[in-house]
Amino acid sequence: VQLVESGGGVVQPGRSLRLSCAASGFTFSMYAMHWVRQTPGKGLEWVTLISYDGAKKYYAESVKGRFTISRDNSKSTLYLQMDSLRTEDTAVYYCAREIRDGYNYGGSDYWGQGTLVAVSS
Amino acid sequence: SYVLTQPPSVSVAPGQTARITCGGSNIGSESVHWYQQKPGQAPLLVVYDDSDRPSGIPERFSGSSSGNTATLTISRVEAGDEADYYCQIWDGSSDLQVFGGGTKLTVL
Repeated sequence: VQLVESGGGVVQPGRSLRLSCAASGFTFSMYAMHWVRQTPGKGLEWVTLISYDGAKKYYAESVKGRFTISRDNSKSTLYLQMDSLRTEDTAVYYCAREIRDGYNYGGSDYWGQGTLVAVSS
Repeated sequence: SYVLTQPPSVSVAPGQTARITCGGSNIGSESVHWYQQKPGQAPLLVVYDDSDRPSGIPERFSGSSSGNTATLTISRVEAGDEADYYCQIWDGSSDLQVFGGGTKLTVL
């Protein structure tokens, strides 16, 4: 199992950025996927989840209405579209695989190495 | 929203047992997962569903949960166990994943 994030970088407040997570080593279309972020030196914060088929999406209140999760099962790739970015969105963003199947959710058994998003003027 | 409370730090001597707690309202009725994170690395799942271990995780790592407290126990602590540890649940009433604030384990 391998998860590789990309797309991070420095962006001005109010701008947009799209992160990608390329999955390999497992049947991507069978697993729900999460985005989790971590402000440098701080704890983990869950951001969003998408079901295995893309039919269900859930968001933390802090990003609801600004971030959009999506997936392309034909490409085994997860995405996070981040709009109206704020300085407080600065963090390392990890994609992670859900441990449960179907529409059941719990924890994450595999994580990528993360991509850094820095929102600054 | 559901809150998980962890002590900021726990210290233990090598060879001793470390216990890291995670408090939450009736957490014993939830499935609790624990992660280890070393500096510069991604989190690693060490216990899931309260007390199960993923393959490759040493038996020294164990978990339990009852009432309002879940506990990660690390037996025969080694220097390599020094890390941040996070508890986590899926809050089905709110459809949110919730993490505790994390506990820094220091091996003296």
